[in-house]
Amino acid sequence: AQSVTQPDIHITVSEGASLELRCNYSYGATPYLFWYVQSPGQGLQLLLKYFSGDTLVQGIKGFEAEFKRSQSSFNLRKPSVHWSDAAEYFCAVWGRFGNEKLTFGTGTRLTIIP
Amino acid sequence: DVKVTQSSRYLVKRTGEKVFLECVQDMDHENMFWYRQDPGLGLRLIYFSYDVKMKEKGDIPEGYSVSREKKERFSLILESASTNQTSMYLCASPAPGTGPFSQPQHFGDGTRLSIL
Repeated sequence: AQSVTQPDIHITVSEGASLELRCNYSYGATPYLFWYVQSPGQGLQLLLKYFSGDTLVQGIKGFEAEFKRSQSSFNLRKPSVHWSDAAEYFCAVWGRFGNEKLTFGTGTRLTIIP
Repeated sequence: DVKVTQSSRYLVKRTGEKVFLECVQDMDHENMFWYRQDPGLGLRLIYFSYDVKMKEKGDIPEGYSVSREKKERFSLILESASTNQTSMYLCASPAPGTGPFSQPQHFGDGTRLSIL
């Protein structure tokens, strides 16, 4: 069965600083990988996704993520955060085979300080 | 713009009541999903539907049922609400034209349900 781990429950970053949110997955092959963002009081919005090909994926709002097969990771990065990036971020994995459905991590809450 | 609309943002019900949560999508997509979101647990799939009148259990279907009479509308039903069903409920639908990659990509704003 597939699983996904977001080891950081809460991260605080200064505005303008760089950001990296960690995501590790467990699956017997290369899965499909997703990052979502949830602003307070809102539903989730898809930031980016990896299906195949280039392991560095560009998303919306200036985010990118890098798939590293050897580390079973799909970390989300942004070179310079803005106060509006304060939100909760969810990594998700979907197995390519069988009858798997999308599995979400438990989320990382991002706080931005001035 | 693509839209998934949940009929209520906040709902307060009593234990034992039958509760209906409604979701409408305007993308004409076959797949629709219901999740519940709890702190520290992320999102967990309750039910999903891959066509009208078709449904499949997710990871935590106990205490819930669903109805999909029309393609655009997917209802979640709490047959007899209990306090442990107090949660945030999110409806989702894939992006149009995503075919086999049709996992949830568009979410409603959620219904925060409190069972007293």
